[in-house]
Amino acid sequence: AQSVAQPEDQVNVAEGNPLTVKCTYSVSGNPYLFWYVQYPNRGLQFLLKYITGDNLVKGSYGFEAEFNKSQTSFHLKKPSALVSDSALYFCAVRLAGYQKVTFGIGTKLQVIP
Amino acid sequence: GAGVSQSPRYKVAKRGQDVALRCDPISGHVSLFWYQQALGQGPEFLTYFQNEAQLDKSGLPSDRFFAERPEGSVSTLKIQRTQQEDSAVYLCASGGRGSGNTIYFGEGSWLTVV
Repeated sequence: AQSVAQPEDQVNVAEGNPLTVKCTYSVSGNPYLFWYVQYPNRGLQFLLKYITGDNLVKGSYGFEAEFNKSQTSFHLKKPSALVSDSALYFCAVRLAGYQKVTFGIGTKLQVIP
Repeated sequence: GAGVSQSPRYKVAKRGQDVALRCDPISGHVSLFWYQQALGQGPEFLTYFQNEAQLDKSGLPSDRFFAERPEGSVSTLKIQRTQQEDSAVYLCASGGRGSGNTIYFGEGSWLTVV
């Protein structure tokens, strides 16, 4: 079985401040990890993924995420938040060698001007 | 096409009516997924195809849900005798063969059962 936990329903951050959206995962093997963003009434847009290699991965729109195997975490970060970053963020996990991707329940990011 | 295309974008069905939702994946993508997203929730896996083969349908909630991809490209998700609890966004995604590949989502089909 595989699962994802996003412990915060909502994260509020002031524009220009750094942001972190938390994600922990559980999987019986090597994980592939993903972050997606969803704007209102839209589908999910891919931000970044960790497959192997460097634990710090960089993605679209200045976002990055750090894979921490010992803490089974894959937190999403951005050095300086923009109002336009306000959206719903989903973390997802896939067991290496398998196809099914399991998503968390999402975290609403609110960037305050 | 450039992205995953889904139709209709919005569907209102009367309870008991059958509905069909279409997904046109990114050209060349062998993997195709259907997810269900209820209001305020994350996407829940329904089913997965590799080409025309339905390799995993463990997430289909009942035998009223049926998916097909007969020629390994376009897929249809059919819901028979719709019920109010079927109201959700149905998301289609496609990707390459390997599990390291990213899956890309369409805009979704919003189903409301009244």
